[in-house]
Amino acid sequence: EAQVTQNPRYLITVTGKKLTVTCSQNMNHEYMSWYRQDPGLGLRQIYYSMNVEVTDKGDVPEGYKVSRKEKRNFPLILESPSPNQTSLYFCASSLLTEGEAFFGQGTRLTVV
Amino acid sequence: RKEVEQDPGPFNVPEGATVAFNCTYSNSASQSFFWYRQDCRKEPKLLMSVYSSGNEDGRFTAQLNRASQYISLLIRDSKLSDSATYLCAQTDSNYQLIWGAGTKLIIKP
Repeated sequence: EAQVTQNPRYLITVTGKKLTVTCSQNMNHEYMSWYRQDPGLGLRQIYYSMNVEVTDKGDVPEGYKVSRKEKRNFPLILESPSPNQTSLYFCASSLLTEGEAFFGQGTRLTVV
Repeated sequence: RKEVEQDPGPFNVPEGATVAFNCTYSNSASQSFFWYRQDCRKEPKLLMSVYSSGNEDGRFTAQLNRASQYISLLIRDSKLSDSATYLCAQTDSNYQLIWGAGTKLIIKP
């Protein structure tokens, strides 16, 4: 089954404790991205990657890191999480020239 | 001005009614357009791609108006299960997806 898999689905952590949210897709998509979604603000892009070893900042990259060492994986790293990073996070992938995005099920992160 | 704008709603609509949303965009170089559906706390899922000639899928019709720079979504004979947030999206010249903030639809019995 074609899918994008995020883990964990739910995470509560403390300020400053490094965490990684994993994202994996099995559709051989070149393009992957991370979004956060907050009430009233819609989807805001954090980082994106157009292919292996190619990553770029989105609209709200501060406080986040990503890597793309393999085509299928695109982890999101919070080196020192803060309460303002409490949000619902989505990973998405697509074929570069088609635009249709496939989303993971989301990760609800709470930083206390 | 935001690149993609939607009325956030909520639209409260009786079951069986017809409802329409618009989504305006500012980037005239946009290549492709989409409507996504998002249920509460779930991931967005593609509802329809939007073609220049318009397209229909059952009770759903999507249209693109390049001259006025908007896309529309029409839902006929609305069902309780249509309650969701509807997101519009467009790709820019670099194939990046640009998202609207979504329109919340509530269908009432």
